[in-house]
Amino acid sequence: GDSVTQMEGPVTLSEEAFLTINCTYTATGYPSLFWYVQYPGEGLQLLLKATKADDKGSNKGFEATYRKETTSFHLEKGSVQVSDSAVYFCALSERASNTGKLIFGQGTTLQVKP
Amino acid sequence: SQTIHQWPATLVQPVGSPLSLECTVEGTSNPNLYWYRQAAGRGLQLLFYSVGIGQISSEVPQNLSASRPQDRQFILSSKKLLLSDSGFYLCAWSRTSGSYEQYFGPGTRLTVT
Repeated sequence: GDSVTQMEGPVTLSEEAFLTINCTYTATGYPSLFWYVQYPGEGLQLLLKATKADDKGSNKGFEATYRKETTSFHLEKGSVQVSDSAVYFCALSERASNTGKLIFGQGTTLQVKP
Repeated sequence: SQTIHQWPATLVQPVGSPLSLECTVEGTSNPNLYWYRQAAGRGLQLLFYSVGIGQISSEVPQNLSASRPQDRQFILSSKKLLLSDSGFYLCAWSRTSGSYEQYFGPGTRLTVT
């Protein structure tokens, strides 16, 4: 079945450092890909998405490119801030059905220190 | 614009007591609806989803149940809570076509004592 694998955390960076969180997927067909962010005690927020190969999703300085050849959707940010500290989830949609179900990775915790 | 509400925000219940968590969506019609549970420090576990009124699919066997009495209302219930039911419960909605991104509510923190 479809699956999403994220790099193990926690990831600890200093403020203004470059961020990469790796995400790879296995899927039949052509899923849409997403990154979600979860701040402590809150629900998940959609951070960005890409719906087809070579699409680049971007939001709030974060970017991710849908790479079909490497089945990857790595999250990047050029300069992180303390306020970016959160848990980040990579996900894909099961396009084979009309249920809209998402397959989530296990989440990666990011800690940014001042 | 669309909004999703969950209540209560926090709940402390004794083992063996009943449970009812409610989720409502505003600003859209005929959404897909989802219930997730997130144990402390863990990922998301999909519990139930619904593609229409009265249509509920269960993802994992457990002592929880879900109902969708109205188009934009999704309820999670239990007759008798277990300690293992503690966690953070999240409701989400998506459109029924397109890229299917899901939008999440603020969550309910349930502690079973």
